[in-house]
Amino acid sequence: QKEVEQNSGPLSVPEGAIASLNCTYSDRVSQSFFWYRQYSGKSPELIMSIYSNGDKEDGRFTAQLNKASQYVSLLIRDSQPSDSATYLCAVNSFGNQFYFGTGTSLTVIP
Amino acid sequence: DARVTQTPRHKVTEMGQEVTMRCQPILGHNTVFWYRQTMMQGLELLAYFRNRAPLDDSGMPKDRFSAEMPDATLATLKIQPSEPRDSAVYFCASNPEGPSYEQYFGPGTRLTVT
Repeated sequence: QKEVEQNSGPLSVPEGAIASLNCTYSDRVSQSFFWYRQYSGKSPELIMSIYSNGDKEDGRFTAQLNKASQYVSLLIRDSQPSDSATYLCAVNSFGNQFYFGTGTSLTVIP
Repeated sequence: DARVTQTPRHKVTEMGQEVTMRCQPILGHNTVFWYRQTMMQGLELLAYFRNRAPLDDSGMPKDRFSAEMPDATLATLKIQPSEPRDSAVYFCASNPEGPSYEQYFGPGTRLTVT
């Protein structure tokens, strides 16, 4: 079993819709959770971090964490074509090895 | 604007040649990671250092890859001899001491071995 699992997609949503990206992890002691956005040919860019159960909102992005279910998600409201990218989920414990999912490809259709 | 820097950004070399990639982590970050990304394998961890000490290099092919951190501002990844299967994008990333552990990536070195 992989440490971090994501649906590879591709996920397509119309412009203005909500995009929902999901991630599960296997290590119960994980404490830090991150979402990265990676445009084609570019490096991963940190867009959200979350450390406690519940929701964390930043602009159009909301990260949701449920440690009991070992589940973390990212919601993108009012999706824009510029949100089209691959989204990587990452999990970490005490700054040690980061475990990355394989990424979900998102396409926002104008 | 603090960021991780990597050199070179692109490298084309012939099989058998030595390749050295360099990384300057964000000032004050004490943990540095080397990753390799390919379409087939995704993002793979090769090695990482904390306070310049190697903590894990189990992801590296030991016979040809080596990673060092000669000082707090420089991390290096060497491949000798290089092979076509080493063609990939190599990323360096760094994060600070806790509690956030937010990891930031450099722009990457795109390596092509012919």
